Amino acid sequence: ETGVTQTPRHLVMGMTNKKSLKCEQHLGHNAMYWYKQSAKKPLELMFVYNFKEQTENNSVPSRFSPECPNSSHLFLHLHTLQPEDSALYLCASSQDWSGEYEQYFGPGTRLTVT
Amino acid sequence: DQQVKQNSPSLSVQEGRISILNCDYTNSMFDYFLWYKKYPAEGPTFLISISSIKDKNEDGRFTVFLNKSAKHLSLHIVPSQPGDSAVYFCAVTNFGNEKLTFGTGTRLTIIP
Repeated sequence: ETGVTQTPRHLVMGMTNKKSLKCEQHLGHNAMYWYKQSAKKPLELMFVYNFKEQTENNSVPSRFSPECPNSSHLFLHLHTLQPEDSALYLCASSQDWSGEYEQYFGPGTRLTVT
Repeated sequence: DQQVKQNSPSLSVQEGRISILNCDYTNSMFDYFLWYKKYPAEGPTFLISISSIKDKNEDGRFTVFLNKSAKHLSLHIVPSQPGDSAVYFCAVTNFGNEKLTFGTGTRLTIIP
């Protein structure tokens, strides 16, 4: 049990659908992250939230919309996605944004866009 | 252009022997380095880290070596155990920066 949970674990959606990914951390951390892992590519950082404020948007298309209502919860809202957006989406948290603290990852959501 | 490279996508090692996983980075400004381990259907878990002021950090069977001049990082696992079979990612960052840059991973298989 890593203390970071993600739902759903698997999601299949059409290009016109709207869906949301949810992440929750039970570790008392202040920073949360969304990563994308595509086949045979490195983990790519998408967004960083530190104390509920977005501190990093790594040139992510607007069809991905993050939301961080509090330090324990992070959402990724999805709309009008493309098939190439199919990937594993990982949420992570860390104690703070200093970089010294290792990040704790959730199990990921496997997203398939049809 | 990848800033972090793990040139071996896979590695097989006999149980009890040493496993050596390698990682190269391009930017000499990185000063904090981490290794993560990932089992199937799970997220990566932190394994060990090293800052640029050191050239070696040891934690039980795991040792990370840093060669700053070569911009090279390695993870040694000795003795290797079947439970070490997983994908290993190296990651780099700057102290004070939350952004981790990951390599593509190396799949390690320990042969009983």
